[in-house]
Amino acid sequence: AQSVTQPDIHITVSEGASLELRCNYSYGATPYLFWYVQSPGQGLQLLLKYFSGDTLVQGIKGFEAEFKRSQSSFNLRKPSVHWSDAAEYFCAVETSGTYKYIFGTGTRLKVLA
Amino acid sequence: DGGITQSPKYLFRKEGQNVTLSCEQNLNHDAMYWYRQDPGQGLRLIYYSQIVNDFQKGDIAEGYSVSREKKESFPLTVTSAQKNPTAFYLCASKARGRSGELFFGEGSRLTVL
Repeated sequence: AQSVTQPDIHITVSEGASLELRCNYSYGATPYLFWYVQSPGQGLQLLLKYFSGDTLVQGIKGFEAEFKRSQSSFNLRKPSVHWSDAAEYFCAVETSGTYKYIFGTGTRLKVLA
Repeated sequence: DGGITQSPKYLFRKEGQNVTLSCEQNLNHDAMYWYRQDPGQGLRLIYYSQIVNDFQKGDIAEGYSVSREKKESFPLTVTSAQKNPTAFYLCASKARGRSGELFFGEGSRLTVL
């Protein structure tokens, strides 16, 4: 069965520092991969997605992610974090053709001024 | 404006009572989803529906029921059989075809007294 693992529950970084949030997936074929962000008490917003092709994908708000098949990973990165990036981040995978969409447990990001 | 509307935003229920959460979308999306969110557990899939009059169980369907009689509506009933129903519930939808973004409602917070 497909699954998504986000090993870091909380991450704290200083404003202006770089950021990397980890995501590992378990799925036989190439999955569709996503990163979402959630502000407290709200729904989720899509940051970026990967279906195929270039393994480095760009998203909104200056985020990017790299798909590494050999490591079953899809890590999210940002070169310089802003205080407004403080939120919870979720990695997700969709099994191609089934519409089943599974999320990881999330990583809560805190940004220090 | 197109979007997903969940109601009510807050709901209190006594133990042993069933409660129905509403989810309506005007995005003309075929697929709709219900997720439960608990702290530290991310989003867990309850039910999803690819088309009208069809739905599939997710990973935690026990104690919940759904219907999909209209394309725009996907109500979730939390039954008295659900042993720990206090949670934040999120509804989402997605267009048919190649995998894409899930659009989320703002959620419903259910508290069992």
